[in-house]
This record gives sequence, C-alpha cells and structure tokens, in this order.
Amino acid sequence: GENVEQHPSTLSVQEGDSAVIKCTYSDSASNYFPWYKQELGKRPQLIIDIRSNVGEKKDQRIAVTLNKTAKHFSLHITETQPEDSAVYFCAASPHYGQNFVFGPGTRLSVLP
Amino acid sequence: SAVISQKPSRDICQRGTSLTIQCQVDSQVTMMFWYRQQPGQSLTLIATANQGSEATYESGFVIDKFPISRPNLTFSTLTVSNMSPEDSSIYLCSVEKGADTGELFFGEGSRLTVL
Repeated sequence: GENVEQHPSTLSVQEGDSAVIKCTYSDSASNYFPWYKQELGKRPQLIIDIRSNVGEKKDQRIAVTLNKTAKHFSLHITETQPEDSAVYFCAASPHYGQNFVFGPGTRLSVLP
Repeated sequence: SAVISQKPSRDICQRGTSLTIQCQVDSQVTMMFWYRQQPGQSLTLIATANQGSEATYESGFVIDKFPISRPNLTFSTLTVSNMSPEDSSIYLCSVEKGADTGELFFGEGSRLTVL
C-alpha cells in the first residue's frame, strides 16, 4: 500500500521568511496530492492540491510542486505570517477523494 | 459546500464501554469516511461507509471493534466498542466536498478520552 513520508516534523521560521515542507510517496498509482492545514483544536482544511498531470500550482503565498518521477511533492509558503502557524499534512491518493494516505505532519511555527 | 455535524464533540468514557459517534451531512453523498487522529498524530483512515453495503475497513481496523452504519445518503455512525485507553483519539467523519473535486471535507471531530 501507499506510504507517505514528510519532512521536517517541526519547522520554525521568522515572520516574512519562506517555509518548505517536503513529502515522498511510494505508490506510482497515486495521482492526487492535497495539503491540509490543521490549527490547534480545529478540523483539517485543504489549502492547496495538485494532480498528477500538473507540475506546479500556486495560490497567492502558497505553492505546491510535484515530481512524479522522483515521487515527491513539496509545499512552499512565502512571506510567512503568524497565522500560518499550524500543523500541515500532505497526502497521496490513487483516486480523488478516496483512499487518502496522510503524511505524519509538520508543525510550523512562525515567530514574530 | 458540504456541512457536517458530528456528535458528540467530546466525551469521557469508562474502559470496557462502547460509544457511538454520529455524522450528519447536509447533502447526499455516496461515500463517507471515518478517520482516527491519535494525540499529536496524523490522520488514519478507519473505513469507508457506503449506503446499502458493508463498510470497507482499512488494514488494522475490524468491524467488531468499529462497527459502522450507513442507513441513508446523509448519515453514518461509528461505534467504538469495548474501549480501552488506547482508543483515546479524535474521530473524524469526512466526505468529498464536491463531485470529483477530490477535496475531503472534515467534520469537527469527536474527542474521546477513555479512562
């Protein structure tokens, strides 16, 4: 089955700096790669996703890149703000909305 | 977009008892998903609940421990049976937010503490 690894497990950055979180997956059949943000005590919420026919996607300060050959994808947050502090989970799925396997998570702290 | 109501939001339970978590969606959905999030951990899929058929369980989860009902297209329940402290977790119901969007939308979760 699918296995998703995520690094780093914790990340501290100064406000305004960039943050990068990397994930690798094992199943070449996976074709959908979402990123979820979970604030303390809240539900996980989708922040960006990418499908296997696309190499990069950007939404304001957030971007995701995908390298299918190497089976890895990354989340990039620029100009970080304190409200970006949360746990971020990557996931891989062989079919949209189904059979998600989540990475172990990265706790991001943005220091003022 | 879907609205999910999950009950209870939290509960404290005694070892050996069972608790049923309810999940109500405001629109009809084909599949509903139940996830577990142990303290400080990631999300693990327990099972997929389809209306009119048996739930599909992931490796490591069995029907006797986590029976699921799916009586209609807007409602599902997950029971955590014969609980032990290791079952202390947040249990989350989720659905696909829109047809073929791929996006999972989660309920607020049910935080269970087993003493």
